[in-house]
Amino acid sequence: DAKTTQPPSMDCAEGRAANLPCNHSTISGNEYVYWYRQIHSQGPQYIIHGLKNNETNEMASLIITEDRKSSTLILPHATLRDTAVYYCIVRPYTNAGKSTFGDGTTLTVKP
Amino acid sequence: NAGVTQTPKFQVLKTGQSMTLQCAQDMNHNSMYWYRQDPGMGLRLIYYSASEGTTDKGEVPNGYNVSRLNKREFSLRLESAAPSQTSVYFCASSEARRATVQETQYFGPGTRLLVL
Repeated sequence: DAKTTQPPSMDCAEGRAANLPCNHSTISGNEYVYWYRQIHSQGPQYIIHGLKNNETNEMASLIITEDRKSSTLILPHATLRDTAVYYCIVRPYTNAGKSTFGDGTTLTVKP
Repeated sequence: NAGVTQTPKFQVLKTGQSMTLQCAQDMNHNSMYWYRQDPGMGLRLIYYSASEGTTDKGEVPNGYNVSRLNKREFSLRLESAAPSQTSVYFCASSEARRATVQETQYFGPGTRLLVL
């Protein structure tokens, strides 16, 4: 499975958009990009996923570059409760791949 | 629906002791996973089960065994615990049907294990 690279930490002002980047330059054609987040010591929570088109749901937007080598998770109006570790992973379409979570990006939303 | 449940929530073991971590899901998911998370680090896959009756090694399987007891339950066993196995263990499940793209994993609350 493709590896991902994320910055270790980012800050964002409350109410502003948080843009979290992820590099996955070795992604293959059958691999999806998934984003999860982990608040405090809870179990990770699914946010969004995509293959090549941009995606949006009630939590976030996902922008994937045309060459699929990188993506950006956008939280449009960050709140203090969005402070968490955000993980970008890639995994194949077929069931039960050995997806690697990596160390993620610690996002701190400040008042 | 309870989602993914894990027992126990917290456990202290002495080096060499054995224990089994239990995980159950009520979402009729096909695939189940065990991860460990060390302080300040991301999740590392220990074992996974693509479907009932099958198990496969992940990144860090040494020192662990698993059993997919039935579709609902996936247990993780430490035969002889070591201090290096002190970690938070998360169980997850996913639907994983070939006809869909639904590979979202749903995680349990975790089991915090301390090995002295």
